[in-house]
Amino acid sequence: GQNIDQPTEMTATEGAIVQINCTYQTSGFNGLFWYQQHAGEAPTFLSYNVLDGLEEKGRFSSFLSRSKGYSYLLLKELQMKDSASYLCAVSYGQAGTALIFGKGTTLSVSS
Amino acid sequence: GAGVSQSPSNKVTEKGKDVELRCDPISGHTALYWYRQSLGQGLEFLIYFQGNSAPDKSGLPSDRFSAERTGGSVSTLTIQRTQQEDSAVYLCASRLRDRAGEQYFGPGTRLTVT
Repeated sequence: GQNIDQPTEMTATEGAIVQINCTYQTSGFNGLFWYQQHAGEAPTFLSYNVLDGLEEKGRFSSFLSRSKGYSYLLLKELQMKDSASYLCAVSYGQAGTALIFGKGTTLSVSS
Repeated sequence: GAGVSQSPSNKVTEKGKDVELRCDPISGHTALYWYRQSLGQGLEFLIYFQGNSAPDKSGLPSDRFSAERTGGSVSTLTIQRTQQEDSAVYLCASRLRDRAGEQYFGPGTRLTVT
């Protein structure tokens, strides 16, 4: 079956750096996404990796290793507003339309 | 510009009734997804539409669930004979055809089956 694992919760302090890991096992792979979801709100797109390596976008970076079935989201210079759930998702299958999401990592940033 | 909109925002229904949820994607977005999110659970993929292609229905949990997309724009998700386990937030997302990863989500419909 298809499976995505990510830690349930993480805590960090303002100004710090945090790395949220994601491992996946899927039948086929067409891309990996990271989304941010604040409590009671819809997810918002953060990043998309299809090739191995690091994608940097401001304070957020995402890394992918397809051979290891592994990704991480790196958040730098943490701010209180970064407190949210971070969802890892993989597009798989022949047509690349099927998607599986992890259960999300709840990040709490304290001052 | 306008984002993805969904209606109703909240729906309470009795077990056994049918419900219809609506999604208006961003104009020009040819791809549309429906997801379900239960408390403490991740997003569960339900169905995917891309232009005039046959939809990917692989995520629909039972034959009580169906969806259609008329004119390549508005989509409706129908749940027949609702059960209590159908209670969840139903989210719709759309994207441009050539931006595979970048989905824009609507605010969701919170469905409560009593």
